[in-house]
Amino acid sequence: GENVEQHPSTLSVQEGDSAVIKCTYSDSASNYFPWYKQELGKRPQLIIDIRSNVGEKKDQRIAVTLNKTAKHFSLHITETQPEDSAVYFCAASWKGGSEKLVFGKGTKLTVNP
Amino acid sequence: NAGVMQNPRHLVRRRGQEARLRCSPVKGHSHVYWYRQLPEEGLKFMVYLQKENIIDESGMPKERFSAEFPKEGPSILRIQQVVRGDSAAYFCATKPATVNTEAFFGQGTRLTVV
Repeated sequence: GENVEQHPSTLSVQEGDSAVIKCTYSDSASNYFPWYKQELGKRPQLIIDIRSNVGEKKDQRIAVTLNKTAKHFSLHITETQPEDSAVYFCAASWKGGSEKLVFGKGTKLTVNP
Repeated sequence: NAGVMQNPRHLVRRRGQEARLRCSPVKGHSHVYWYRQLPEEGLKFMVYLQKENIIDESGMPKERFSAEFPKEGPSILRIQQVVRGDSAAYFCATKPATVNTEAFFGQGTRLTVV
């Protein structure tokens, strides 16, 4: 089955700096890669996603890149703000199958003012 | 996504009791996924249901856990004879039958077994 590895597990940056979180997946059939932000005690919220027919997607300060050949995808947050502090999860699934999500273990991002 | 309702939000059970977790999908959503999140870990898939059918239960423990999604009413995740290791946050996510639509998560039920 699918396996998703996520790095780093913790990341601390200064406000205004960029943050990058990387994930790799094992199943070449996976074709959908969402990123979720989870604040303490809250539900995961979808912040951006990418499908396998696209190499890059951007939404304001957030961007995601996908390398299908290498089976890895990354989340980029620019001009970080303290409110970006949260745990971020990558996930992979196969749109066309059960579409269940396989999650990475998460990255705790801290943005220091 | 605010329409996915889970209750209770917090549930405390003694070892050996039963826990029943409910998930009411957004109106029109016929697909339900249950995930478990252990403390400081990622979410792990448990089961995928459509109305009255279990489609994929590959993530469900073999014993004590069951799930249903009846024709009427919420989806239920039932844990019998709970043990301390069952303490976790349980999230459901729902989506419509349309292909290539996203699933939205509920607020979760935090189960504590004492």
